[in-house]
Amino acid sequence: ETGVTQSPTHLIKTRGQQVTLRCSSQSGHNTVSWYQQALGQGPQFIFQYYREEENGRGNFPPRFSGLQFPNYSSELNVNALELDDSALYLCASSSGRTNEKLFFGSGTQLSVL
Amino acid sequence: AQSVTQLGSHVSVSEGALVLLRCNYSSSVPPYLFWYVQYPNQGLQLLLKYTSAATLVKGINGFEAEFKKSETSFHLTKPSAHMSDAAEYFCAVSLSGGSYIPTFGRGTSLIVHP
Repeated sequence: ETGVTQSPTHLIKTRGQQVTLRCSSQSGHNTVSWYQQALGQGPQFIFQYYREEENGRGNFPPRFSGLQFPNYSSELNVNALELDDSALYLCASSSGRTNEKLFFGSGTQLSVL
Repeated sequence: AQSVTQLGSHVSVSEGALVLLRCNYSSSVPPYLFWYVQYPNQGLQLLLKYTSAATLVKGINGFEAEFKKSETSFHLTKPSAHMSDAAEYFCAVSLSGGSYIPTFGRGTSLIVHP
């Protein structure tokens, strides 16, 4: 079975720009979560999608938005980038809603200059 | 609401020594508890989980953790450290019967000396 894949692996943007990050979930998984991991910190929950609907959202502003497609892949969009958005963005997939085992991708390292 | 506190941002041990990484949690309902490991330039990988069954949980790579409700703790141990155990370790908690969204701690970096 294929694992969770994220693209791109690295990205450099400037303040005010918009960015789209992509995630392909593990085969058979219908739930996708996105996390932001700042340097030296633990992952912070952004939001989760279950069967194409948002199923929970963390304390992030509306300029962070997402989408889950019928094949359960997902996108994270960030508008009006700020310097503090620089972080590793992790996607995790799981089967069902209980998140008893999250399978993480290797992440997208976003640098905002 | 739930939260976890990982005591010690860095833990240094010698190869072959006992590994002990501390985690205390706060939860308003019976929790699910997890330990994840992150190697450099990789995503997180589940080591073990507690979901209200046996309080002593065994995971991969020889790690285990014990759920102690009276102490609100879920410390991670391994009897003998190996060089390959050097990584970042994250404790996480979620609420059973709720949203099941895990909240992660800040992480503990395990350093293993030869």
